[in-house]
Order: sequence, then structure tokens, then C-alpha cells
Amino acid sequence: EPEVTQTPSHQVTQMGQEVILRCVPISNHLYFYWYRQILGQKVEFLVSFYNNEISEKSEIFDDQFSVERPDGSNFTLKIRSTKLEDSAMYFCASGQTANYGYTFGSGTRLTVV
Amino acid sequence: AQSVTQLDSQVPVFEEAPVELRCNYSSSVSVYLFWYVQYPNQGLQLLLKYLSGSTLVKGINGFEAEFNKSQTSFHLRKPSVHISDTAEYFCAVSAIRGSQGNLIFGKGTKLSVKP
Repeated sequence: EPEVTQTPSHQVTQMGQEVILRCVPISNHLYFYWYRQILGQKVEFLVSFYNNEISEKSEIFDDQFSVERPDGSNFTLKIRSTKLEDSAMYFCASGQTANYGYTFGSGTRLTVV
Repeated sequence: AQSVTQLDSQVPVFEEAPVELRCNYSSSVSVYLFWYVQYPNQGLQLLLKYLSGSTLVKGINGFEAEFNKSQTSFHLRKPSVHISDTAEYFCAVSAIRGSQGNLIFGKGTKLSVKP
């Protein structure tokens, strides 16, 4: 069964550093998403991406965040200057359509120290 | 705006017993409804979804859920659970229109199946 692949599985970074979280969506999918889950809290929507541009973003997705699909297969989330409160599990997801449920990756656990 | 309430944060149950995980939602627009499962150290896996049609939907691993529009509920059930069903279960909604499919999740219910 096709999978969404995320790398790395765990990343530790110093506060103020930039991090890039990488995702390889399922190949024929058109809609791409990033979510995050702070330990013990809800899974929260960050951003959706379609047709090479952001289609929707949450209040969490401020100027320190950016997304990119650099080469038609990877989908990345960049956090420019990490803060302690960015520590969370970040999930990438992709789908053929927007609304019918989509496939999540296993997540990247980001720890900011 | 939408919100999802999962009334039980933890549900302990014995193996082979039935289980119901409760989910209520609030929305000013029509929504699609989903249940996802997260096994330890893994991502979110789609269990089942309600898009339209029959209000009783069947998913993977023997789970089913019933959409009740008047009660704005979408409770998840399984008649007989296994140890391997131990996981966290998330109810989620997405607006049918005006949305690119972003999901609003509940806080999750941890199902613990004991032998």
C-alpha cells in the first residue's frame, strides 16, 4: 500500500535554528498538508497546499513557517527560527481529493532545546 | 467554524468486550466526519469516514460508526475488541464547502484493552 514518508523521524535543534522537515507524498496525490501535535494536545492543522501554492493556512502558520514542493516529489516544511514551543510531532499528509480523507505519514518529532 | 468533542479521554476495556468511543461535533456548515487511529509511535491511520448516504459506516479492523445529525454525533463502536486495538482514536470533521479539506480534530480517546 502506498505510504507518505517523512524524514527524519526525530530531530533535535537549538532554539533559533532553522529546520526543514521533509515529506514524500503518495505519487498521484494532489493535495498536501502539514499538521502538528504538541505532546498531550490535539492534532492541529497548519497548512494545505494545492497546485503549487498554499490553499489554506491556520493562525499557527505565521511568518516563521513556509512550505515548498521543490521538485515535484518532496514537500517540505521550513521553520525559520525555532522556538521552544515549536517542539511537537509534525505530520505530513496527502490526498487525491481535498475532502475525502487522506493518508498521513508517521511524523517527525521535533525537539527544540 | 467547527469543533469536535471527544467526551472520554481514556477508555479501559477487557478483551472481547464491546466498546463505544463517543464523538460530538459543532458546525455551522455541513461536514464530513472521520475517525483516525494512532498506534504507539506511528502516524494517523484512517479508520472510516462518513461522506453521505447510509448513516452507518463500516471501517477497517471491525470498527463502525453511526452518524446522527440531530444529535451531532459520530460515535465509534466495535462489538468485540482485541489487545491489538489498544491505541489512541481521533474523531475529526472537515467542512464540505469552503475548505481545502483541513481537518479539525478532537483531543483523542486512549483505548486500553486489557486481557
